[in-house]
Amino acid sequence: RKEVEQDPGPFNVPEGATVAFNCTYSNSASQSFFWYRQDCRKEPKLLMSVYSSGNEDGRFTAQLNRASQYISLLIRDSKLSDSATYLCVLGTSYGKLTFGQGTILTVHP
Amino acid sequence: NAGVMQNPRHLVRRRGQEARLRCSPMKGHSHVYWYRQLPEEGLKFMVYLQKENIIDESGMPKERFSAEFPKEGPSILRIQQVVRGDSAAYFCASSPSSGVNSPLHFGNGTRLTVT
Repeated sequence: RKEVEQDPGPFNVPEGATVAFNCTYSNSASQSFFWYRQDCRKEPKLLMSVYSSGNEDGRFTAQLNRASQYISLLIRDSKLSDSATYLCVLGTSYGKLTFGQGTILTVHP
Repeated sequence: NAGVMQNPRHLVRRRGQEARLRCSPMKGHSHVYWYRQLPEEGLKFMVYLQKENIIDESGMPKERFSAEFPKEGPSILRIQQVVRGDSAAYFCASSPSSGVNSPLHFGNGTRLTVT
């Protein structure tokens, strides 16, 4: 079983739509959780950290359920510029990151 | 403050040659991580280094691959006797400290093509 499992998609949504991505992980010792985005095989960029209490950054909301080992990302009011691959990422105590394969999102006019 | 600098951006090598990938971390960062992304796959951890020390090399292939982060100069990822399966994007990241919440800053990668 992979350490981080994501639905690869692709998700094709119109502008303005709400879209949700899910991610499950197998290592219960994981200590930190993130969503990164990667454009066209460029370097991954941190989108947001994920906390147990849930957190929101503008149109983006992330949730963590430690008991179910499940992470989610919700994007509201999708923009064309949101088109990218979204990576679910776990962190260890010393900063090593484990990446999911990513979920491809395409937002169309 | 320059970001993480990787060079070259693109590297073409014939089978059997050596590839050297360089990474200069952000100023003030002493922790360097190397990741590899094979075509159509996610990023995979290779190695974590601090100045002059390899801390975790659990993701490094057992043969032909080595990494260093000397006291002076960039971190180097070296691949000897390259094979076609080594073709990938290699990303370096740095952070100012270790720790669960220390953010990683990624360079824009070196794309290695083995012909």
